[in-house]
Amino acid sequence: GESVGLHLPTLSVQEGDNSIINCAYSNSASDYFIWYKQESGKGPQFIIDIRSNMDKRQGQRVTVLLNKTVKHLSLQIAATQPGDSAVYFCAESRGAGNMLTFGGGTRLMVKP
Amino acid sequence: DGGITQSPKYLFRKEGQNVTLSCEQNLNHDAMYWYRQDPGQGLRLIYYSQIVNDFQKGDIAEGYSVSREKKESFPLTVTSAQKNPTAFYLCASALYPLEVGTEAFFGQGTRLTVV
Repeated sequence: GESVGLHLPTLSVQEGDNSIINCAYSNSASDYFIWYKQESGKGPQFIIDIRSNMDKRQGQRVTVLLNKTVKHLSLQIAATQPGDSAVYFCAESRGAGNMLTFGGGTRLMVKP
Repeated sequence: DGGITQSPKYLFRKEGQNVTLSCEQNLNHDAMYWYRQDPGQGLRLIYYSQIVNDFQKGDIAEGYSVSREKKESFPLTVTSAQKNPTAFYLCASALYPLEVGTEAFFGQGTRLTVV
C-alpha cells in the first residue's frame, strides 16, 4: 500500500555536527509534508512543513528538502544539540479530506 | 491559553469494558485526528474529522468509535471489540485545509492500559 517510510531507524551524531534525517514517500498525490519531533512520553511537536510545489524551506536551524522526482524528503538540523535528541517523524497529507499519515520514525541520538 | 487538551493522562481499563478518551481544543480548528502509538512505533491514524458531524475512518478504525457533535471536541471510544487496546493515544487538530504555516497541533496523549 501507499505509505510514508524512513530509511534509518536510529541516527547517532556528535554534538555540533549537522544531522540529516531521511524519509521516502510513495504516494505521488501527497501535496503537503510535515516533520515532527517527539520526546519520550509526549505528543509530537511541529518542526517544519513544506508543500509539493516547493523544493526547500528553512526554519531556525532546520531545513526541509523535497525531491519529488525520487519521492524523498529530508530534514537537516544544523549544529545538533543534546536537546535535539528525540524521535523524528515525517508525515504526509493525502486524500481530499486532509488525511494526515505518519512514517515509522527515526531516533536521533546526540553524543556530547 | 489556546491549545489542545487530552484527558486523562493515564487510563486503566478492565477487559471487556468500553472507555472514552477526551480531546478538546480551543484553537477554532476544523480538522481533528486520533492516532494510536505502540512502543517504539510510529503513529497510526484511527479516525479523523474535517467538520462537525462528519468523520472518516483511518487505517486502524476497527474496535474504535468517535463523535464530532461540537467543533472543539472529538472524543474517542475504545470498545471491547478492540482486542489489543493498550497503547498511547494522541489527538491532533488543524485548520482545514492543511497548508504551510497552518500546523497540526498535538495533545500530550493518553496512555491506556488494559488490566
